[in-house]
Amino acid sequence: EVQLVQSGAEVKKPGESLKISCKGSGYSFTTYWIGWVRQMPGKGLEWMGIIYPGDSDTRYSPSFQGQVTISVDNSINTAYLQWSSLKASDTAMYYCATQQQYRAASANWGQGTLVTVSS
Amino acid sequence: EIEMTQSPATLSVSPGERATLPCRASQSVSSNLAWYQKKPGQAPRLLIYGASTRATGIPARFSGSGSGTEFTLTISSLQSEDFAVYYCHQYNNWPRTFGQGTKVEIK
Repeated sequence: EVQLVQSGAEVKKPGESLKISCKGSGYSFTTYWIGWVRQMPGKGLEWMGIIYPGDSDTRYSPSFQGQVTISVDNSINTAYLQWSSLKASDTAMYYCATQQQYRAASANWGQGTLVTVSS
Repeated sequence: EIEMTQSPATLSVSPGERATLPCRASQSVSSNLAWYQKKPGQAPRLLIYGASTRATGIPARFSGSGSGTEFTLTISSLQSEDFAVYYCHQYNNWPRTFGQGTKVEIK
């Protein structure tokens, strides 16, 4: 069974850095794409970016290019989403999701990580 | 960037009734269209992919249709657990995009 387990909720101050994680199990980690999706409070879903662990091929949506970094550590089957300097507007729920091919829907999702940025 | 439009934002339906949720793409996405159900405090749940294929474990009352730019999600007889927000999502082009969502509420 494919499972994605995300790291716990975070409370940070503006300007701080953060790295959240998504650990995959039950499948061949390096052969599925992993994406990140944001949901701001009371808003809809936004696709942030996607990475292929097999070769670290990474794509970012224009709105998130330069704002976040997506990476993987294949030795521990884990994907990451990180910020170097958080803003209050980064307050949101973040989900990771896998897909078996580049052009495919995501059947498996993590439980979400709530990030709160407040002074 | 392909814009996905879902209207109305809210659909009021009585339990047992049929719900029809449209989704329009600003340019063709072929059949690379998915539908997700989203409830508060839960991760999105894949209902339909390939515009019309039900995902594993999805009840037959959920069906999808369309191709190109016009798509529809139909819930044939609404159950209490179906009241939620539904998003269409195109995965044909990068960047991937979602519609704004349609909230199905109890009438």
